Amino acid sequence: QVQLVQSGAEVKKPGASVKVSCKASGYTFSTDHMHWVRQAPGQGLEWMGIISPKSGGTSYAQKLQGRVILTRDPSTSTVYMDLSSLTSEDTAVYFCAREAVRGLYYFDFWGQGTLVTVSS
Amino acid sequence: DIVMNQSPDSLAVSLGERATINCKSSQSVLNSSNNKNYLVWYQQKPGQPPKLLIFSASTRESGVPDRFSGGGSGTDFTLTIASLQAEDVAVYYCQQYYVTPCTFGQGTKVEIK
Repeated sequence: QVQLVQSGAEVKKPGASVKVSCKASGYTFSTDHMHWVRQAPGQGLEWMGIISPKSGGTSYAQKLQGRVILTRDPSTSTVYMDLSSLTSEDTAVYFCAREAVRGLYYFDFWGQGTLVTVSS
Repeated sequence: DIVMNQSPDSLAVSLGERATINCKSSQSVLNSSNNKNYLVWYQQKPGQPPKLLIFSASTRESGVPDRFSGGGSGTDFTLTIASLQAEDVAVYYCQQYYVTPCTFGQGTKVEIK
């Protein structure tokens, strides 16, 4: 069965960077695009970006351009989300999510979420 | 960006009664080339990731109970829970995927009255 397992919670100081991993299993890693979505405490959902596990090609939300980098390691079926210059507004649960249909940005499987807390 | 607005923000419904959630997009999400609305609904329970319920505005994802149904077209959509069960207590989100960035509604919290 499809599983996306994310790394554990992080606490970071303002200005620092964080890297969250998402390990995929139960399907062919290279075939399905992976997205990242975040959710601030008690808030809604915000799309961050997409990565092609096959090519490594990426696209990011304009709001996060220059601060977010998505990468992948096909040898371990893992994608990574790197967010820099953190502020308190980046405190959120970060989810990886598999694209349900190629080219359509909606998601059929999600990771369990990783809480990133930014605090001095 | 397309703005998605859900109403109400919360609703309380008796067990076995109908719950209806509305979602309005700031522009049409109907793809005229295939006549599909690029709109999904998710259910999110506390401490869990969202779960896909409905895609293309009205098609239930595999395994989703048939008490959940989606409707609407263009800019106005609904999610209906025909007979609310205790396990349906959750926050429900609509999301459009017609335009990048995909965008979500603010969520509707469904509780038991």
